[in-house]
Amino acid sequence: DQQVKQNSPSLSVQEGRISILNCDYTNSMFDYFLWYKKYPAEGPTFLISISSIKDKNEDGRFTVFLNKSAKHLSLHIVPSQPGDSAVYFCAASGGGSNYKLTFGKGTLLTVNP
Amino acid sequence: DVKVTQSSRYLVKRTGEKVFLECVQDMDHENMFWYRQDPGLGLRLIYFSYDVKMKEKGDIPEGYSVSREKKERFSLILESASTNQTSMYLCASRVGGTGQIQPQHFGDGTRLSIL
Repeated sequence: DQQVKQNSPSLSVQEGRISILNCDYTNSMFDYFLWYKKYPAEGPTFLISISSIKDKNEDGRFTVFLNKSAKHLSLHIVPSQPGDSAVYFCAASGGGSNYKLTFGKGTLLTVNP
Repeated sequence: DVKVTQSSRYLVKRTGEKVFLECVQDMDHENMFWYRQDPGLGLRLIYFSYDVKMKEKGDIPEGYSVSREKKERFSLILESASTNQTSMYLCASRVGGTGQIQPQHFGDGTRLSIL
């Protein structure tokens, strides 16, 4: 039972345009959501997070939007840069455990110059 | 900056061997985690430890055990390695406690091949 879903395995955008990565979840007990970025041969690095009491969090070029009624969150990257090319993982915590993160399968973002 | 160090980047072992993967963090974090990453499956939690000598099973603990004798070190043990344990293994740590988002910080991973 996949509780965090990233339905797009890959996404390709042009440099300077907006990248939108999507994530859906099924467990209504999740109360924190995080995005991680992963380059090949490196570990995931934390990017941005959002609590379920908010619907938007912004950090520079990165904005995460949360729609609790739809159980959907998205990561917007504006403007996209070639160095943003990586795998992006959506993760959720809560749902009965204060320790665990449940990850999606990831979306490979390619930003073309 | 948080530093999570995994002892090996690449490791090749034989079926049936006992394999130890080591992870050390330098930020006095209470919580530590072991994941494996496989193509198309994302990150799956094997075991985690919320404090010294404390451990809990994650989603896929079968065939693995862990040890946490010191706060900074968390070891993953493959009791009898099998080919289906060939994978990328990732260690992570985070500050303990709840009430706010505490991101996990990851090491660079160990790519383990079981022949």
